[in-house]
Amino acid sequence: EVQLVESGGGLVQPGGSLRLSCAASGFTFSYYAIYWVRQAPGKGLEYVSAISSNGDITDYANSVKGRFTISRDNSKNTVHLQMGSLKAEDMAVYYCAGGQGVMEVWGKGTTVTVSS
Amino acid sequence: EIVLTQSPGTLSLSPGERATLSCRASQSVSSNFLAWYQQKPGQAPRLLIYGASTRATGIPDRFSGSGSGTDFTLIITRLEPEDFAVYYCQHYGSPPRTFGQGTKVEIK
Repeated sequence: EVQLVESGGGLVQPGGSLRLSCAASGFTFSYYAIYWVRQAPGKGLEYVSAISSNGDITDYANSVKGRFTISRDNSKNTVHLQMGSLKAEDMAVYYCAGGQGVMEVWGKGTTVTVSS
Repeated sequence: EIVLTQSPGTLSLSPGERATLSCRASQSVSSNFLAWYQQKPGQAPRLLIYGASTRATGIPDRFSGSGSGTDFTLIITRLEPEDFAVYYCQHYGSPPRTFGQGTKVEIK
């Protein structure tokens, strides 16, 4: 079964850090780009970041550039999103998605709460 | 950054009716790299359409996408009960791969 599973969400104070992980199974992970998309409570989808299949190309939404870092380990079929200097507006459900250009496969999401 | 504007914000229709959703881009979307996703409450989004008009695997043929350049449309020919959801367009030709704000299709 093709699957992406996010983990690492939780409660963090403003200014704090958190590392999200996305574990893949059921497909050839190294062929796929991986994306992070978030959804604040009651809001729409917001693109966050992407990493190419071999990890050599990354990009970020302006809202997270300089604070978030995406990386991948193809030997472990895993992508990480290191999030720093967290703000209240970063609070959301974070989804990872995979695909070859388009977001074909999605995880169920992990929730990040930013609060003191 | 390409800004995608979806209209209407909410569409109130009955099962069996036709739904027409619009997505307009602030600049031309290269190679029609435009996708549509469906999201139901409490669920992750699901890919419906990519390349502006190609249905993803397993998507029923009542869903169709069209358009090019800056104007794109998603049509659901006959709404089934399971089609009532929020629909998002997204361009993926170049970063950042922005989403539209969504159109909610609700039961009238």
